[in-house]
Amino acid sequence: SQKIEQNSEALNIQEGKTATLTCNYTNYSPAYLQWYRQDPGRGPVFLLLIRENEKEKRKERLKVTFDTTLKQSLFHITASQPADSATYLCALDPRARQLTFGSGTQLTVLP
Amino acid sequence: DTGVSQDPRHKITKRGQNVTFRCDPISEHNRLYWYRQTLGQGPEFLTYFQNEAQLEKSRLLSDRFSAERPKGSFSTLEIQRTEQGDSAMYLCASSPDPGPYEQYFGPGTRLTVT
Repeated sequence: SQKIEQNSEALNIQEGKTATLTCNYTNYSPAYLQWYRQDPGRGPVFLLLIRENEKEKRKERLKVTFDTTLKQSLFHITASQPADSATYLCALDPRARQLTFGSGTQLTVLP
Repeated sequence: DTGVSQDPRHKITKRGQNVTFRCDPISEHNRLYWYRQTLGQGPEFLTYFQNEAQLEKSRLLSDRFSAERPKGSFSTLEIQRTEQGDSAMYLCASSPDPGPYEQYFGPGTRLTVT
């Protein structure tokens, strides 16, 4: 069956370090992979989208990689700040119609 | 562009009652989605509209659930005969067409069934 796994439910890192979040998937052939940020009690906010034929995408302090052979995406936040603390969701878009989300990784950046 | 709005933000209802939620998407977006999210989980897809046409429904969407998008603008999600298991956050999102289909979410409606 189709499955999306995001690494450990919670990740704590020190301010200024790079946070690396992992998204692994099985039995999918996604056309796109997307990353969202969600704060408590709010809807997800779109961050980055990467296509199946792209290896890497950057936006300010964010970087996403997409390895369709390993069926894995890595999401990096460099020079992390306490304001980056949130839950980060990986979402697959196999048919450009609906998103299938992972359960998210809760990131806490400690000052 | 005021973003996606949802109403109400919170709804408490008794088991067996019917509830209706409204979503107003970003005005130029043709695509509208409904998701359900429970604590500690990612959003789960419920249904999707392209303009006024409902093109896809999840198996999660039982016969008690119905969604509409008249005139391809706002959408409503109705749950009939609510059950305690319906308690969740109901999220609406919209996206432009053509793609690449990043989705813009509303703040959600928190439903509590007592």
